[in-house]
Amino acid sequence: SAVISQKPSRDICQRGTSLTIQCQVDSQVTMMFWYRQQPGQSLTLIATANQGSEATYESGFVIDKFPISRPNLTFSTLTVSNMSPEDSSIYLCSTDRAEAFFGQGTRLTVV
Amino acid sequence: DAKTTQPPSMDCAEGRAANLPCNHSTISGNEYVYWYRQIHSQGPQYIIHGLKNNETNEMASLIITEDRKSSTLILPHATLRDTAVYYCIVRVVRGAQKLVFGQGTRLTINP
Repeated sequence: SAVISQKPSRDICQRGTSLTIQCQVDSQVTMMFWYRQQPGQSLTLIATANQGSEATYESGFVIDKFPISRPNLTFSTLTVSNMSPEDSSIYLCSTDRAEAFFGQGTRLTVV
Repeated sequence: DAKTTQPPSMDCAEGRAANLPCNHSTISGNEYVYWYRQIHSQGPQYIIHGLKNNETNEMASLIITEDRKSSTLILPHATLRDTAVYYCIVRVVRGAQKLVFGQGTRLTINP
């Protein structure tokens, strides 16, 4: 089983600023996934990050708002850019392993 | 869109078996049934997955009907710590391996 660590675990940010969330896996994985969970809602996939290629974004999510990096097979970052209060959510990463473990998430509050 | 339907909520008495149903009538032959749970704003926790045979692990049992159009997650002796939102998901294990979450079932274990 893969252990996934996310940083930061939570943050409070000013509107108009950006936050970069890190996701570290303890073993190599081909694909990493970024999800958003808005208050009281289920998880929604933002994008799929493959090492060595651009991330693939789901409908409603764009690279300018959520740029993703995947520099190697154990690490990825998601940036939430030009934040507004509507971006207040929990952001989670996961992997393509059969059991698809999740990080504990980053709770973002935009004020 | 999620390919599964689940009751929005269920209650179960502590110590009894909790049986959570899931319908996935459009499941494809190469899609597995996955179950996750999310305990109050933590990252989703993997529980179990299966293709067509019943599966059991230390957390739960998964019963999949012969036509694979529905399944049941069984928590044999529910405790208060099993109170969570339970998600049933169908997923291809190879290729595009993203998880598409529905709204899940909010299971409340009552003392």
